[in-house]
Amino acid sequence: GESVGLHLPTLSVQEGDNSIINCAYSNSASDYFIWYKQESGKGPQFIIDIRSNMDKRQGQRVTVLLNKTVKHLSLQIAATQPGDSAVYFCAENSGTGRRALTFGSGTRLQVQP
Amino acid sequence: DGGITQSPKYLFRKEGQNVTLSCEQNLNHDAMYWYRQDPGQGLRLIYYSQIVNDFQKGDIAEGYSVSREKKESFPLTVTSAQKNPTAFYLCASSIGQAGNTIYFGEGSWLTVV
Repeated sequence: GESVGLHLPTLSVQEGDNSIINCAYSNSASDYFIWYKQESGKGPQFIIDIRSNMDKRQGQRVTVLLNKTVKHLSLQIAATQPGDSAVYFCAENSGTGRRALTFGSGTRLQVQP
Repeated sequence: DGGITQSPKYLFRKEGQNVTLSCEQNLNHDAMYWYRQDPGQGLRLIYYSQIVNDFQKGDIAEGYSVSREKKESFPLTVTSAQKNPTAFYLCASSIGQAGNTIYFGEGSWLTVV
């Protein structure tokens, strides 16, 4: 069925390096994508989103890239800090039928000092 | 403070009991959602509501019930029919009905004893 998933379950990076978290989606009708950060025992926090009519969007230290040709989404975090350690989820909305986000399984980012 | 309030934070349920998780938002958001998260897993949609007195099933609605009598409130009842209810439950809301950017509460932990 249609789904959103992630390539890497755990990503370990050195403090100060750039991080790239990847996400594959299979629903070609998806027109909205979003990244969340979840710290242990807390609710997910919005990071950045992008619509399907864009291929790149930048925020503060974060960039989301969308490649519709291969149905791939990535989150880039510049100068990764210890506070970035968390689980990151991508989610998508097809924009038709069910009007709710479908989440991937998450990637744990570990920042080594 | 504006936000989404879930209560209780921790709840224990005996076998065969129904329990209700509260979710209140003072953001004047139109839509509200309930997701379930199992340890080390992503979020799965239980129910969502785009307007008062209306709600739709998500992917795992069996064993759960909801109501939306007021715009600011969307309680979730975990019934005895839900055979494996131990999980982290997340309530969310969004400003419109499109189901795009949603904001989460801090979650409720439910454990069956």
